[in-house]
Amino acid sequence: DAGITQSPRHKVTETGTPVTLRCHQTENHRYMYWYRQDPGHGLRLIHYSYGVKDTDKGEVSDGYSVSRSKTEDFLLTLESATSSQTSVYFCAISDNRVAKNIQYFGAGTRLSVL
Amino acid sequence: QQQVKQSPQSLIVQKGGISIINCAYENTAFDYFPWYQQFPGKGPALLIAIRPDVSEKKEGRFTISFNKSAKQFSLHIMDSQPGDSATYFCAASTGASGTYKYIFGTGTRLKVLA
Repeated sequence: DAGITQSPRHKVTETGTPVTLRCHQTENHRYMYWYRQDPGHGLRLIHYSYGVKDTDKGEVSDGYSVSRSKTEDFLLTLESATSSQTSVYFCAISDNRVAKNIQYFGAGTRLSVL
Repeated sequence: QQQVKQSPQSLIVQKGGISIINCAYENTAFDYFPWYQQFPGKGPALLIAIRPDVSEKKEGRFTISFNKSAKQFSLHIMDSQPGDSATYFCAASTGASGTYKYIFGTGTRLKVLA
């Protein structure tokens, strides 16, 4: 999975609790992305980062926040988890200096909010 | 304008047959069209990609056909094998904003019968 580690791989939590998912890369790629995957919706971009401390919203950012304090780590936080946030979350990275446009995906985190 | 419409939702093909998955887009600013393959429990992996300056790209048994005027592109899998059984996603992106964000189709679940 292209030097990308997502943790945890599985998590079950209760409505209203905070949850943080971590994406760690060893590729020193500039760009990092968080997607959610749901049946019938494909993959939808939540937030992305174009450098340390530089982040922006994707198409489904409500209820999520992100942080990137160093190149290798991109954190996704659900401040107060809801059942609608039950999903599989994927992190992706890309390095547009070398191979423009190609995004490499991690193995995913399956999150269940009860 | 940001949507990518993918069809069919599911596809069953006999071993040795041709699998065809279609995608359509509206945003003429898109300039990169990748196809991703995803096996159960794994992250999506880049299969093949095309830019709009060519009408076809072939890599082994996988071919992308691109029709710029119709704003459509398709994936053809020749001599389909049971090992090709997976979910396939088309995507589109533009580098206009400098970040190459992907818009994904909703996915096609392919099953190749032995």
